[in-house]
Amino acid sequence: EPEVTQTPSHQVTQMGQEVILRCVPISNHLYFYWYRQILGQKVEFLVSFYNNEISEKSEIFDDQFSVERPDGSNFTLKIRSTKLEDSAMYFCASSDVETQYFGPGTRLLVL
Amino acid sequence: QKEVEQNSGPLSVPEGAIASLNCTYSDRGSQSFFWYRQYSGKSPELIMSIYSNGDKEDGRFTAQLNKASQYVSLLIRDSQPSDSATYLCAVRSGGYNKLIFGAGTRLAVHP
Repeated sequence: EPEVTQTPSHQVTQMGQEVILRCVPISNHLYFYWYRQILGQKVEFLVSFYNNEISEKSEIFDDQFSVERPDGSNFTLKIRSTKLEDSAMYFCASSDVETQYFGPGTRLLVL
Repeated sequence: QKEVEQNSGPLSVPEGAIASLNCTYSDRGSQSFFWYRQYSGKSPELIMSIYSNGDKEDGRFTAQLNKASQYVSLLIRDSQPSDSATYLCAVRSGGYNKLIFGAGTRLAVHP
């Protein structure tokens, strides 16, 4: 069964460093998303991406964040200068039209 | 602010019993409703989607939607210890695909 994959599973970084989280969505899906979940809190929407552009973003998704689909398979989230409060699980999801399927997540720890 | 509310639990049920999980949402324009299961440290896993008023059954799971009351529920019949997890209600509103999640209800099924 097709699934969303994410790398790395864990990432530890120093405050102020750049990180890139990678995702491979399900192959025939057209919509891609990033969500995050701070430990013990809700899953929060960050950004959605369709037809090679951002279709919606949340207030969390400020200028420090960017997304890219550099080729036909990968979908990346870049955080330019990480802050302590960026520590969270980051989930990539993809959908055909309605139903979103989530990847296993990347646990990001900013020290 | 569009919100999705769930009781945090824990909801404790004996093995074999019916577990009933509830969710309310604030945006009357919401169109699609999803239940995800999340084991500790893992990503959300889709259980069911529901789009129209009434009941929808899939195996041991039944989702119920009442748009007039802005209420969604999930029933789990013949609960098993392996059902012990946090159940997330998610709602899609408006013309965009982003999901708004509730905080989740923790279910504990004891033998």
